[in-house]
Amino acid sequence: AQTVTQSQPEMSVQEAETVTLSCTYDTSENNYYLFWYKQPPSRQMILVIRQEAYKQQNATENRFSVNFQKAAKSFSLKISDSQLGDTAMYFCAFKTIQGAQKLVFGQGTRLTINP
Amino acid sequence: DTGVSQDPRHKITKRGQNVTFRCDPISEHNRLYWYRQTLGQGPEFLTYFQNEAQLEKSRLLSDRFSAERPKGSFSTLEIQRTEQGDSAMYLCASSPGGVVRYGYTFGSGTRLTVV
Repeated sequence: AQTVTQSQPEMSVQEAETVTLSCTYDTSENNYYLFWYKQPPSRQMILVIRQEAYKQQNATENRFSVNFQKAAKSFSLKISDSQLGDTAMYFCAFKTIQGAQKLVFGQGTRLTINP
Repeated sequence: DTGVSQDPRHKITKRGQNVTFRCDPISEHNRLYWYRQTLGQGPEFLTYFQNEAQLEKSRLLSDRFSAERPKGSFSTLEIQRTEQGDSAMYLCASSPGGVVRYGYTFGSGTRLTVV
């Protein structure tokens, strides 16, 4: 069974700083998808960025980028020029390409951006 | 289409009562998922539908839980004889068929409190 681990329960940075959230996962699959989701307080979960395991190039979406290390089974999220609106819970998630359709989530990291 | 809708947003019930939640997915999405999220944790998979067929069920889905998706459109999740441990946020998500590169679209959730 796949597992996803986020070792940082909480993080806090100043506005405009860069912050990196860690995620490791365990799987015997070779092809899969990895996702970072953002869940603002009392609001719905939204997709921030995704990575296909068969792509070596790290995904980037504006201020958000990932460092995908397949051999190490690591998938960290970097947020550059952080903004107050980035304050949220961030969840790392895993999905196999074949077989089960479910997303497997980590425990989450509560990120606070301070003014 | 305004995304995934869940109703009600909040539900308070007495222990032992039955409750039913509704989810309306994005209209062109044929896959629908239910997740449970307890405070400070990541969502846990409960069940998955493709059209009207329930294809996956988690061990978390005890015999007190039942989900349906008649006609492959909206879905309902019923909890019978609620217990305090059922208190959680119940999230619904949907996705189009085929290979899911883009993750899921989540609803805002139904927060259940069992007193």
